[in-house]
Amino acid sequence: DIQMTQSPSSLSAVVGDRVTITCQASQDIDNSLNWYQQKPGKAPKLLIFDASNLETGVPSRFSGRGSGTDFTFTISGLQPEDVATYYCQQFSRLPITFGRGTRLEIK
Amino acid sequence: QVQLVQSGAEVKKPGASVKVSCKASGYTFTDNYIHWVRQAPGQGLEWMGLINPNGGSTTYAQKFQDRFIMTRDTSTSTLYMALSTLRSEDTAIYFCVRGGEVATGVFDLWGQGTQVTVSS
Repeated sequence: DIQMTQSPSSLSAVVGDRVTITCQASQDIDNSLNWYQQKPGKAPKLLIFDASNLETGVPSRFSGRGSGTDFTFTISGLQPEDVATYYCQQFSRLPITFGRGTRLEIK
Repeated sequence: QVQLVQSGAEVKKPGASVKVSCKASGYTFTDNYIHWVRQAPGQGLEWMGLINPNGGSTTYAQKFQDRFIMTRDTSTSTLYMALSTLRSEDTAIYFCVRGGEVATGVFDLWGQGTQVTVSS
């Protein structure tokens, strides 16, 4: 199975900050990586697909980059409504696997 | 409206079985794979398996292979998951998720989740 190592597990930032989360795959997954946002009590929501493509309707302050084994997710200009847990997910090979999540809070 | 609507919460005793439904609407039912993902309390996301509504073929995560079954009913555009021999560790929210047109695809549409509680 492909292991996804996501960091940090939690972070606290100020409104307006630039926030970055990283995800490392245990083997090459090309660009088969997605990022999801999950707010408390809700289902996850797709934000970024294929490592760097913004899902329709998602604000442009969210972005992703990377290929192979190393990926980053960035929020440029943190907003109060961005408080959530973020997950990376690889879909290169079955079984599909997720990172352990990053809990994002506002200072 | 494109959506996946799941059945309501369940409370089961250890050793029992549970069946959860997921009704798809607003898109062509057989075009997209459906995955099942679960989330234990305070934990992350765990992929359980996938089903191709076009033909009904399935792939299971090894962990669940012996007690997890996914089926579909094309006449009602409904997917089902059944988990047997329940234990307390199966207490979780279970999500059905629309994937792509291939087995490994993007999860672009999630059901609202079904809480399954296993307790004596």
